[in-house]
Amino acid sequence: DAKTTQPPSMDCAEGRAANLPCNHSTISGNEYVYWYRQIHSQGPQYIIHGLKNNETNEMASLIITEDRKSSTLILPHATLRDTAVYYCIARRGYYGGSQGNLIFGKGTKLSVKP
Amino acid sequence: DSGVTQTPKHLITATGQRVTLRCSPRSGDLSVYWYQQSLDQGLQFLIQYYNGEERAKGNILERFSAQQFPDLHSELNLSSLELGDSALYFCASSVQGMGTEAFFGQGTRLTVV
Repeated sequence: DAKTTQPPSMDCAEGRAANLPCNHSTISGNEYVYWYRQIHSQGPQYIIHGLKNNETNEMASLIITEDRKSSTLILPHATLRDTAVYYCIARRGYYGGSQGNLIFGKGTKLSVKP
Repeated sequence: DSGVTQTPKHLITATGQRVTLRCSPRSGDLSVYWYQQSLDQGLQFLIQYYNGEERAKGNILERFSAQQFPDLHSELNLSSLELGDSALYFCASSVQGMGTEAFFGQGTRLTVV
């Protein structure tokens, strides 16, 4: 799986959009980009994932560059409850259910401030 | 609520003892994964089971073992416990298929004294 690089920390004002970058310059064509977050010692929470196209769900949007070497997770209206460590993971798609065999890096600690 | 249930939530035990952590995956998920999170190591993948069979191994110590039962719940057994085994232990489950996500439980906090 490709290595990902994220800034160690970011701040965001409450109500503003939080844009979290991730670099995955060695990603291969069959690797998905996954985002998870962990709120203070709780279990990691799946946010979103994508392969080539931009994706949006009720939690966030994922923007993947055309060359797929980087991506941005967007939380459109950050709240205090979005304060967490956000992990960007590049992972091959697997048949047979190996999607949870994940290599977590250090992630980005997002602090949402009032 | 992810649908993955872990018990117990907290466990305090002495060095040299053995404990068993339990995980019930989401209904229909065939894969179960175990992770360890300590302060200095971050989230580390330990082992995966798929429909009762061991599928992948990560940084799991020989003192640790796991199994998945016919009803798909899983147990992680930790023996000869050391102070350094104090950590959060998470279980996750996922469905079969390409590009799907994993769902994590709320973890078991193990303290070895």
